[in-house]
Amino acid sequence: GNSVTQMEGPVTLSEEAFLTINCTYTATGYPSLFWYVQYPGEGLQLLLKATKADDKGSNKGFEATYRKETTSFHLEKGSVQVSDSAVYFCALTSNFGNEKLTFGTGTRLTIIP
Amino acid sequence: DAGVIQSPRHEVTEMGQEVTLRCKPISGHDYLFWYRQTMMRGLELLIYFNNNVPIDDSGMPEDRFSAKMPNASFSTLKIQPSEPRDSAVYFCASSFRGPGAYNEQFFGPGTRLTVL
Repeated sequence: GNSVTQMEGPVTLSEEAFLTINCTYTATGYPSLFWYVQYPGEGLQLLLKATKADDKGSNKGFEATYRKETTSFHLEKGSVQVSDSAVYFCALTSNFGNEKLTFGTGTRLTIIP
Repeated sequence: DAGVIQSPRHEVTEMGQEVTLRCKPISGHDYLFWYRQTMMRGLELLIYFNNNVPIDDSGMPEDRFSAKMPNASFSTLKIQPSEPRDSAVYFCASSFRGPGAYNEQFFGPGTRLTVL
């Protein structure tokens, strides 16, 4: 079955630091990969996505590259801000008719000024 | 579009009472999902519908939970009777499966349920 293994948190960084949150996956076929973000008191929002190998998803300064050879989709940002404090979820979905998203456990990120 | 709408945003009830959570998906979306989020178990998929038909309810914890989707613009999740361990944030999400769509799910703001 499908599974997502995500870097455990919590992660605390200083403002302007470089961020990496690791995500690896197991899936059959050719999944689509996502990063969702959940700000305090809110629902999950799609941050970025990649639908095939070597695609790079990007949004709000965040990037992640779909690496089929290492089954990874690590999230990176060059310079984090206090407003990036949130919980980040890596997720995948199969493209074989199963619409379920398989989520990682989430990584809580706190940025201190 | 207003996005996925959930009501109520907060619900406090006593053990044994019936609770009904409501969701309006994004217009035109053909999939609807109900999730539960707790600190202990994280984010769990309870059930999902396609074109108003339940497809997978294997995540529904027990018979006290039931979900319906009478039409494309409305779904309910009911808990009867409620128990303190049902306290959680319940999210509804919807998605569209079609050309150029990649199963991206759009989440509502959630209903925070507290069962005393």
